[in-house]
Amino acid sequence: AQSVTQPDIHITVSEGASLELRCNYSYGATPYLFWYVQSPGQGLQLLLKYFSGDTLVQGIKGFEAEFKRSQSSFNLRKPSVHWSDAAEYFCAVGAETSYDKVIFGPGTSLSVIP
Amino acid sequence: GAVVSQHPSWVICKSGTSVKIECRSLDFQATTMFWYRQFPKQSLMLMATSNEGSKATYEQGVEKDKFLINHASLTLSTLTVTSAHPEDSSFYICSARPLSIGDFRPSYEQYFGPGTRLTVT
Repeated sequence: AQSVTQPDIHITVSEGASLELRCNYSYGATPYLFWYVQSPGQGLQLLLKYFSGDTLVQGIKGFEAEFKRSQSSFNLRKPSVHWSDAAEYFCAVGAETSYDKVIFGPGTSLSVIP
Repeated sequence: GAVVSQHPSWVICKSGTSVKIECRSLDFQATTMFWYRQFPKQSLMLMATSNEGSKATYEQGVEKDKFLINHASLTLSTLTVTSAHPEDSSFYICSARPLSIGDFRPSYEQYFGPGTRLTVT
């Protein structure tokens, strides 16, 4: 069965430092992968997605992610974190059996120290 | 563009009563809407998928008689929690997939509402 794991429950970084959030997936074929951010009082927002092609994907707010098939990973990165990046981050994979369903990972909570 | 609203944003109800949550796509038409449940510090769990004009499809383990879903139009879906109990207290999130005519490529595109906090006392 498909699944998504995010090994880090909570991460704290200093403002201006680089960030990497880890995501591993289990999928039978070429996966459709996503990163979402959830801020208090706001709906989940799509940061970026990977369907095919270039394995380094650029997203909004300065985020990027790299798809590594050999490692079944899709880690999210940002070179310099801003205090406003503090939020919950979810990695997700599109369900194999449905073009509608998205399976979410457990999430990583990001705190940013001024 | 692609804004989804939910109403109410939070609600407190007494055990045994029913509560209705609305999900609206404000600037697009949605063929499909999804309802998720999120427990504190946990991920989103898909409860059901609703398509306009047809019955909702519930995920395994979700009681369809307890969580009534109606998708009456291309811009509105409602979730009614019937005979609510304290264990139904949770954060309920909806999302909407834009209408896409003639495009059958997988996209998984969906836009999320801000969520509704339900507390049952």
